Amino acid sequence: EAGVVQSPRYKIIEKKQPVAFWCNPISGHNTLYWYLQNLGQGPELLIRYENEEAVDDSQLPKDRFSAERLKGVDSTLKIQPAELGDSAVYLCASSPPTRIGEQFFGPGTRLTVL
Amino acid sequence: AQSVSQHNHHVILSEAASLELGCNYSYGGTVNLFWYVQYPGQHLQLLLKYFSGDPLVKGIKGFEAEFIKSKFSFNLRKPSVQWSDTAEYFCAVNPNNAGNMLTFGGGTRLMVKP
Repeated sequence: EAGVVQSPRYKIIEKKQPVAFWCNPISGHNTLYWYLQNLGQGPELLIRYENEEAVDDSQLPKDRFSAERLKGVDSTLKIQPAELGDSAVYLCASSPPTRIGEQFFGPGTRLTVL
Repeated sequence: AQSVSQHNHHVILSEAASLELGCNYSYGGTVNLFWYVQYPGQHLQLLLKYFSGDPLVKGIKGFEAEFIKSKFSFNLRKPSVQWSDTAEYFCAVNPNNAGNMLTFGGGTRLMVKP
């Protein structure tokens, strides 16, 4: 099966600029996750979708971050405006309804904010 | 909130040496436990999982992990490592009442010298 697709793979922007990341999950996976991974640390959940509904966004900094998952398939994560501390890898993952805890990860987008 | 601790941040071994990576979690209820691995240049992928039953679980590539409930631990082991095991390893916890939620540890970077 095709894996989770993310784009872009790398992004370099100046602070205060907006940036958007796109994720296409594995077909049939109703749950989609966005994680933040800082260097030398484990992934930290930003937001989780069950189909179109954001069911856990408690860790999403809502003053500058937003996400959407239209039609319950693709998802976009946006940062506006970006800050220096946002430099990290943004991971997207998806999981099917029957395999609790098993998540399939994309390659991530490495964001550098200058 | 639950947390996951991986005390070994960096481990360097020679080929054929035995491996044990520690993982402790803080959560009082029933949990599902996972080890994920990220090989250089690749995305995170599932290595092995524990839901219930035999506390010694076997995964891919000769890895195994033992769940010790009294110690809140889920250590990863391999009797004889290979150069190709060089990767970053993440322990993750899924509380039984948390749907598909995962909390990750900070990761352990393993380097195997040929």
